[in-house]
Amino acid sequence: KNEVEQSPQNLTAQEGEFITINCSYSVGISALHWLQQHPGGGIVSLFMLSSGKKKHGRLIATINIQEKHSSLHITASHPRDSAVYICAVSGEYGNKLVFGAGTILRVKS
Amino acid sequence: EPEVTQTPSHQVTQMGQEVILRCVPISNHLYFYWYRQILGQKVEFLVSFYNNEISEKSEIFDDQFSVERPDGSNFTLKIRSTKLEDSAMYFCASSEAGSVYGYTFGSGTRLTVV
Repeated sequence: KNEVEQSPQNLTAQEGEFITINCSYSVGISALHWLQQHPGGGIVSLFMLSSGKKKHGRLIATINIQEKHSSLHITASHPRDSAVYICAVSGEYGNKLVFGAGTILRVKS
Repeated sequence: EPEVTQTPSHQVTQMGQEVILRCVPISNHLYFYWYRQILGQKVEFLVSFYNNEISEKSEIFDDQFSVERPDGSNFTLKIRSTKLEDSAMYFCASSEAGSVYGYTFGSGTRLTVV
């Protein structure tokens, strides 16, 4: 059974700061997903990674398969980035996602 | 951009009643999923569906729950005899060909059992 741990649980940043959210998992995976959940509750997929690094605008996601660790970075953070960021993984032999508890990010102006 | 559509967005039901949550996945996707999130907790997997049958289900997905793809577009989750602890946000998701091809989530149905 895969355990997904995220840190920090809560993060408050000033506008413009560089933000890093970490995710670690316990067993082998086929893919790792970074998701964003806004107060209304809907979930938006940000990245799906199986190796290396991906970048979309101010968001960067990296994964180290050997260390079973991924990071999500936000450059030049903005109040509109305030949301819950969730890491989720799919196992080597299945398609279901196992979710982390999420990181609550608040960016103050 | 294609979307996964869920209806209703909110549903309030009496304990013991049956509810049907509806989802329209992205048309060329082959895998369909239901997840739920109890307030303040992690998102949990309920069931995955492929080729018109359940491919995987969690311990939560007991006889109280069922899924169906009644036609070529809709994907439904039925909860029989609802309990207070079924109150949660239920998310439908679909993927083109398994999770390594990425997921698209619906906006969720907030179910409140009173």
